[in-house]
Amino acid sequence: EAQVTQNPRYLITVTGKKLTVTCSQNMNHEYMSWYRQDPGLGLRQIYYSMNVEVTDKGDVPEGYKVSRKEKRNFPLILESPSPNQTSLYFCASSLWAGGNQPQHFGDGTRLSIL
Amino acid sequence: SQKIEQNSEALNIQEGKTATLTCNYTNYSPAYLQWYRQDPGRGPVFLLLIRENEKEKRKERLKVTFDTTLKQSLFHITASQPADSATYLCAKYYGGATNKLIFGTGTLLAVQP
Repeated sequence: EAQVTQNPRYLITVTGKKLTVTCSQNMNHEYMSWYRQDPGLGLRQIYYSMNVEVTDKGDVPEGYKVSRKEKRNFPLILESPSPNQTSLYFCASSLWAGGNQPQHFGDGTRLSIL
Repeated sequence: SQKIEQNSEALNIQEGKTATLTCNYTNYSPAYLQWYRQDPGRGPVFLLLIRENEKEKRKERLKVTFDTTLKQSLFHITASQPADSATYLCAKYYGGATNKLIFGTGTLLAVQP
């Protein structure tokens, strides 16, 4: 089954404790991205990757890191999480970057930073 | 900056009626507009996309229109069912240096039996 898998689905942690949210897709997609979703603000892009070893900042990259060492994986790293990063996070992928490409989303990771 | 706006108020309609959701954008027209459905606790699911030179696109009970003069897209669900209850997101794509999708905040649709 074609899918985007995120882990963990839920995480409660404390300020400053490094964490990684994993994202994996099995569709051989080139384009992958991370979004956060907050009430009243909608989905905002954090980082995106056009292909392996090619990443770039989205609209809200501060406090986040990403890497794309393999085509299928695109982990999101919070080196020193803070409470303002409490949010619902989604990973998405598409065949390539482009407006005619539907985005395939994971089921989300709900992060709470205390 | 690029903005995309959807009605933040929930839309409540009776089963069997046509639901119409609105998506307005600012500045120049995007090359594409996409529509997604999001259920509670789940990621958005792609429904339809429409190009700037298309006036209308249909898929089963769904219809999307794109009016570049009004800078607006309308999303219609005909013969609505309670199972259509969800949040619907529109997203616009800008190519070139921007090269990304910008999402609206979504409109919650509630179809009453």
